[in-house]
Amino acid sequence: DAKTTQPPSMDCAEGRAANLPCNHSTISGNEYVYWYRQIHSQGPQYIIHGLKNNETNEMASLIITEDRKSSTLILPHATLRDTAVYYCIVRVAGGTSYGKLTFGQGTILTVHP
Amino acid sequence: KAGVTQTPRYLIKTRGQQVTLSCSPISGHRSVSWYQQTPGQGLQFLFEYFSETQRNKGNFPGRFSGRQFSNSRSEMNVSTLELGDSALYLCASSREGHDEQFFGPGTRLTVL
Repeated sequence: DAKTTQPPSMDCAEGRAANLPCNHSTISGNEYVYWYRQIHSQGPQYIIHGLKNNETNEMASLIITEDRKSSTLILPHATLRDTAVYYCIVRVAGGTSYGKLTFGQGTILTVHP
Repeated sequence: KAGVTQTPRYLIKTRGQQVTLSCSPISGHRSVSWYQQTPGQGLQFLFEYFSETQRNKGNFPGRFSGRQFSNSRSEMNVSTLELGDSALYLCASSREGHDEQFFGPGTRLTVL
């Protein structure tokens, strides 16, 4: 699976959009970009994933650049409950990566009142 | 529907003992993955089970083992516990193993 690079920490004001970047310059054509987050002392939570098109769900939007070498997770209106560690993960759907997520250090997002 | 459940939530053991942790996946999910989380190493993949077969394995010693039952429930076992095995053990379920995973709350194991 391709390696990802994320900033170690970011701050965001409550009610503003939080834009979390991820670099995955060695991504292969069959690798998806997944985002998970982990709120303190809880299990990670799936947020969103995509291959090459932008994706949106009730939690967030995922913007993937045209060359697929980077992506941005957008939380449109951050709340205090969005304070968490956010993980960007790149993985192949299927093959030898069955059931395996490779977590990096992630980005600690702190949402301030 | 009910989420992933893990039992027990907290466990204290001493060095040399063994421990068994249990995970019940979301109904209809056939893949169960296990992870270890420590402050120093972060979240690391242990193994994945699908239809009672281990399909993928991380880089952990043989003291770490697991199994899956016909109802997709899974257990992991750690034998001859070491201090370094103190960690949060998380399990995650998914439908087929290559789609999004849903995590349980974890079992916090402390080895004294």
